[in-house]
Amino acid sequence: LAKTTQPISMDSYEGQEVNITCSHNNIATNDYITWYQQFPSQGPRFIIQGYKTKVTNEVASLFIPADRKSSTLSLPRVSLSDTAVYYCLVEEGGGADGLTFGKGTHLIIQP
Amino acid sequence: KAGVTQTPRYLIKTRGQQVTLSCSPISGHRSVSWYQQTPGQGLQFLFEYFSETQRNKGNFPGRFSGRQFSNSRSEMNVSTLELGDSALYLCASSLVGQDIYGYTFGSGTRLTVV
Repeated sequence: LAKTTQPISMDSYEGQEVNITCSHNNIATNDYITWYQQFPSQGPRFIIQGYKTKVTNEVASLFIPADRKSSTLSLPRVSLSDTAVYYCLVEEGGGADGLTFGKGTHLIIQP
Repeated sequence: KAGVTQTPRYLIKTRGQQVTLSCSPISGHRSVSWYQQTPGQGLQFLFEYFSETQRNKGNFPGRFSGRQFSNSRSEMNVSTLELGDSALYLCASSLVGQDIYGYTFGSGTRLTVV
């Protein structure tokens, strides 16, 4: 049973705000939600992590509703360089037993 | 500060041979994890080392092994290579294995088995 479900692909345009939603219906009390970004032939890059409510850093925001069964990664004013695969991970204690990556969302930004 | 360094970047090996990949974590990081990425299976966890001890292991055959040295540098070894071992092998480091800043990945070693 997959831990997370997210869209296979999304398209948007430069300057737009992009929201990628991830479903994790079986999230456990000790699980954290983490998002990674990956460009071709590179390792994933940590974007943001949260447990509940809202987390914001210099590159993204993460919205987590009270029931924690889903989360939304928000990328403000995207550019062409944001074209990448985005992975939503749900891991106990932030990944102590190794990270489980799903298929990810291939985000394509057009001019 | 320097990131996670993996060597070599590219490698071509023949079936049946063995290969050793190297990973130097960020200075001060004590946890090193290894992942295999293929188009078909995606990113899969191989194992994690912390303070020279294997702490966790994924679902891979015993041909895949690793070790960590006292300076936290890690090596991964694959023996009796098979065509299906062709993949991007990624190493990730973190301070203690689980923290709110996530894992820092290297750029990987692209292994091609012919």
